[in-house]
Amino acid sequence: GAVVSQHPSRVICKSGTSVKIECRSLDFQATTMFWYRQFPKQSLMLMATSNEGSKATYEQGVEKDKFLINHASLTLSTLTVTSAHPEDSSFYICSLVRQGLSYNEQFFGPGTRLTVL
Amino acid sequence: AQTVTQSQPEMSVQEAETVTLSCTYDTSESDYYLFWYKQPPSRQMILVIRQEAYKQQNATENRFSVNFQKAAKSFSLKISDSQLGDAAMYFCAYRSAVHNQAGTALIFGKGTTLSVSS
Repeated sequence: GAVVSQHPSRVICKSGTSVKIECRSLDFQATTMFWYRQFPKQSLMLMATSNEGSKATYEQGVEKDKFLINHASLTLSTLTVTSAHPEDSSFYICSLVRQGLSYNEQFFGPGTRLTVL
Repeated sequence: AQTVTQSQPEMSVQEAETVTLSCTYDTSESDYYLFWYKQPPSRQMILVIRQEAYKQQNATENRFSVNFQKAAKSFSLKISDSQLGDAAMYFCAYRSAVHNQAGTALIFGKGTTLSVSS
């Protein structure tokens, strides 16, 4: 099946620094990728939709200047958390849709655990 | 806007028994997909089962089946012959099929934590 990778799997950083998370599609090209955030024992909340070659679409309440998304190619999207603060500590998950089949199945990366000290 | 509601934060079941997880949703759309995802302690999201709204027949995947009631906007998951490996957080999710599916994100419920005892 399709594989989605995320790097790093976990990261610890100091408050005020920036962290970049990569999401890669290993098996197919994805024109659209989604970024979710999940706090402990809570649901996945959509942060933004990343479109290859264009600006990302952010959900209400998500600061686009703080969470920079770059969909550089059909197999790579990055999420950069700028000037991270402890409240940004969370589990970040990327997801993408495989097109071309009778059903557009959505695949998820393994997630990145961010801890901001 | 569409919403997904899971009213059971936690459920428990004994091995080999059957458990049903509830999910209701709200939408004005006629064409959509519904899903159940499993998230084990590893946090990897795993698709359990999906249902196309236009299909009247309930989806089934081995020990997992759904009871899809479109008029009532209800989509429950039944796990038969529960196994220890079924212990996880389960999320009900909705996705519109009206527009470009590839550009349409999943909307998740708050989740139900299922514990399985031996």
